[in-house]
Amino acid sequence: GAVVSQHPSRVICKSGTSVKIECRSLDFQATTMFWYRQFPKQSLMLMATSNEGSKATYEQGVEKDKFLINHASLTLSTLTVTSAHPEDSSFYICSARDPRGVDTQYFGPGTRLTVL
Amino acid sequence: RKEVEQDPGPFNVPEGATVAFNCTYSNSASQSFFWYRQDCRKEPKLLMSVYSSGNEDGRFTAQLNRASQYISLLIRDSKLSDSATYLCVVNFRSGGGGNKLTFGTGTQLKVEL
Repeated sequence: GAVVSQHPSRVICKSGTSVKIECRSLDFQATTMFWYRQFPKQSLMLMATSNEGSKATYEQGVEKDKFLINHASLTLSTLTVTSAHPEDSSFYICSARDPRGVDTQYFGPGTRLTVL
Repeated sequence: RKEVEQDPGPFNVPEGATVAFNCTYSNSASQSFFWYRQDCRKEPKLLMSVYSSGNEDGRFTAQLNRASQYISLLIRDSKLSDSATYLCVVNFRSGGGGNKLTFGTGTQLKVEL
């Protein structure tokens, strides 16, 4: 069964609205979660590393004020896309690092965001 | 130069064929290596880790050549269900002590009757 869940799986919103995506690890406590974005026919690009109880680490070129990450518990990280625009339309995928394995990450099923 | 490079394909092969994918990576400090499989509009799923000694899992064989910074995946006796995009993934420890997965763009495989 799934070890990482994401909600919602799909969202369509108007330009200018904010969208929150939740990522939950179901089978283990994840001190570290990751947020990726994937545009059509491109590879997954790491946006940020979410650390429980501390600030997220953002990759170069990713605006931290636009993509707000909160990792308030060991099983939940949220990504909020603020003031979404059509160019933010993408497939957002989270992963959780399993501390029981070596470098093992499990991916959530992804959230397809469409901004009109 | 991309950190992880793959031929995007598509590779169109008949059922039962053997097909090989290659991948090169640029960061010599990379520490662990994986092949993931991604179906259309789905999340990536771990296919197998890749070790220097080479490893096999059923019809799948992975090889790593650290000196050449080259990874390969061989699929024998292809099935229709093998049709997917295969992602070469490299992990290295960043300066802050965390680790990061870097994904290739993937190689698309289409297995046909």
